[in-house]
Amino acid sequence: DIQMTQSPSSLSASVGDRVTIACRAGQRISTYLNWYQQKQGEAPKLLIYGASNLQSGVPSRFIGSGSGTDFTLSISSLQPDDFATYYCQHSYSAPLTFGGGTKVQIK
Amino acid sequence: QVQLVESGGGVVQPGGSLRLSCAASGSSFSTYGMHWVRQAPGKGLEWVAYIRNDGSSQYYVDSVKGRFTLSRDNSKNTLHLQMRSLRAEDTAVYYCVKGKRDYSNYVFEYWGQGTLVTVSS
Repeated sequence: DIQMTQSPSSLSASVGDRVTIACRAGQRISTYLNWYQQKQGEAPKLLIYGASNLQSGVPSRFIGSGSGTDFTLSISSLQPDDFATYYCQHSYSAPLTFGGGTKVQIK
Repeated sequence: QVQLVESGGGVVQPGGSLRLSCAASGSSFSTYGMHWVRQAPGKGLEWVAYIRNDGSSQYYVDSVKGRFTLSRDNSKNTLHLQMRSLRAEDTAVYYCVKGKRDYSNYVFEYWGQGTLVTVSS
C-alpha cells in the first residue's frame, strides 16, 4: 500500500496569507495526486486532480504542484471560506489512500 | 452534476449486518466507477471499496475484504454495500462517491452527504 504523509497536521493563518500544505507519497506516483477540502459537518469536495488540474468551479487561488513523491497545495490568498481540513489522496492504484489531513485554522 | 443520496445507516451490534444503498440522479450512471469512502468520528478519510462502471470488478481495503460486498444495479442507478461481521472499528460516516470518468475513476469527483453506521452493543 502507498502511504501518504501530510504536513503540517494543522496551521493557523490570517485572511490574505499564502498557505502551503505538503504531501509526500511512500513511492513514486507520477502526478496521480488529488486534493480535497472538507468543512466541518460536510462531505469532502474535490479541489485539484492530477497534481495540478483545478476542478471546475474551484477558485484559482488554489494551486497544486509536484510529481513523483512530493506535492504541495497552495492557497495564494486565504479567504474566510477556506478555513477547513485538506486531504491529499493518491489515485495510482488500489488500495487508494489519503493523507492524514491538514486543518487550517484562523489565527 | 450528479447527486448521490445514501441510505441504510444505523446502529448495529458487533457481528451484525447492514446494507447501505446509494441512489444516483441523472443519466450515465452506468458509465462511471463508484466508491465508498468512510470517516470514523473525529478521524480522517479511508477508502473502502470500488466497483467498475459495469460491475465486472470490485476492489476493497484489506480491513473489509471477505466481510463487505459492493454491487450496483445500473438499471436502477443504485449502488449497494453489504456489510457483514461488523466490528466497532467499522463505526463511521460512509460516503458514496462518483469517480471522475473523464480523467480517472480513482479521483473522487462527487460525494453524497454520508450515512452514519454505528457498531455498538
